[in-house]
Amino acid sequence: NAGVTQTPKFRILKIGQSMTLQCTQDMNHNYMYWYRQDPGMGLKLIYYSVGAGITDKGEVPNGYNVSRSTTEDFPLRLELAAPSQTSVYFCASSPQGVSGNTIYFGEGSWLTVV
Amino acid sequence: AQSVSQHNHHVILSEAASLELGCNYSYGGTVNLFWYVQYPGQHLQLLLKYFSGDPLVKGIKGFEAEFIKSKFSFNLRKPSVQWSDTAEYFCAVVSNRDDKIIFGKGTRLHILP
Repeated sequence: NAGVTQTPKFRILKIGQSMTLQCTQDMNHNYMYWYRQDPGMGLKLIYYSVGAGITDKGEVPNGYNVSRSTTEDFPLRLELAAPSQTSVYFCASSPQGVSGNTIYFGEGSWLTVV
Repeated sequence: AQSVSQHNHHVILSEAASLELGCNYSYGGTVNLFWYVQYPGQHLQLLLKYFSGDPLVKGIKGFEAEFIKSKFSFNLRKPSVQWSDTAEYFCAVVSNRDDKIIFGKGTRLHILP
């Protein structure tokens, strides 16, 4: 059982480039999330989705876009990469909402913008 | 504003020492509480969780945490740490009011062999 799978694991981008972080889960979870983790700052929610076709902004959505065309996939897109987006990105999923449920995390994607 | 506070940003202990990491939250109403652990270079893994019932919960690898409602606290404990416990630990809280999970800023634990 793969759980939550993210790709790529490491990436270096130049300022202004675009890229997509892929995330897929095989647990048939309705809810999916994208977090970024910065040193000493904990995890900040970027976007989340409560089901296919539905997405919503989290705490720090600026500079990112998401889509949820299937239950399994929740890609995160950076359109114009900026140095402030250098971070570690975690995709996560849960069966329903976070109340009464456990969130399962992917292994992270280390992104550097230079 | 709703928040989660982890008091210690960086803790250094020797092997076999006892551990207690503090976590306080500012939510009203019913909460679910979690401790996640992130080993170097790895993703977050659930250590333990409290949803209801016995406020003393036991997790993996000998960790436990106690929910004290009157103190809005959910401190993590381990009686005797090991070098392999070196990791970053995150407390997280969900309020049933808004179904949002808020993470603390994390505590980096370094165990000296």
